[in-house]
Amino acid sequence: EDQVTQSPEALRLQEGESSSLNCSYTVSGLRGLFWYRQDPGKGPEFLFTLYSAGEEKEKERLKATLTKKESFLHITAPKPEDSATYLCAIISSGSARQLTFGSGTQLTVLP
Amino acid sequence: SAVISQKPSRDICQRGTSLTIQCQVDSQVTMMFWYRQQPGQSLTLIATANQGSEATYESGFVIDKFPISRPNLTFSTLTVSNMSPEDSSIYLCSVEEGSGEQYFGPGTRLTVT
Repeated sequence: EDQVTQSPEALRLQEGESSSLNCSYTVSGLRGLFWYRQDPGKGPEFLFTLYSAGEEKEKERLKATLTKKESFLHITAPKPEDSATYLCAIISSGSARQLTFGSGTQLTVLP
Repeated sequence: SAVISQKPSRDICQRGTSLTIQCQVDSQVTMMFWYRQQPGQSLTLIATANQGSEATYESGFVIDKFPISRPNLTFSTLTVSNMSPEDSSIYLCSVEEGSGEQYFGPGTRLTVT
């Protein structure tokens, strides 16, 4: 069974304090790993797709990386507006496109 | 990316009644998905809806409780039937684009009293 585990559950950072969020996964064959941002009361906002180990994607202060067992979302010099819940999800080769989500990391960036 | 809207944005319903949630997309898409997000939890897939075929439901979700329609390539509805307080959740639709990424609507916040 496909599984996605995110850590930590919650993270509080000072503005400018860089850190990383972790997403570990168990899957028979990975079709893709996805990162989303979700603000309270809103739907998830797509950030990145990663397909193979060693791949990296960047967007502003965010950088996502992928290994064969986990993915990291690195946040460099975060700002208060980066506060949100970050969700990781996978699609396995045999899942007919359904996303399996982790429980998310709630990030709070303090000014 | 596609622009997705949902109606209603929120509702408060009485136990035993039904609510139909609408999902509208501004472009034609093949695959649409319905998710549930219970309070403080992550997203769980309810069903996959392809135009012209019956929806495919995930384990733990049945058609009698969550009937889905997909009349064309830009629209779908999810009905939550015979509601109980345990159905209080955010219901989200999503569409698949490009290389497998899914884009989500704003969600419908349902409270059952």
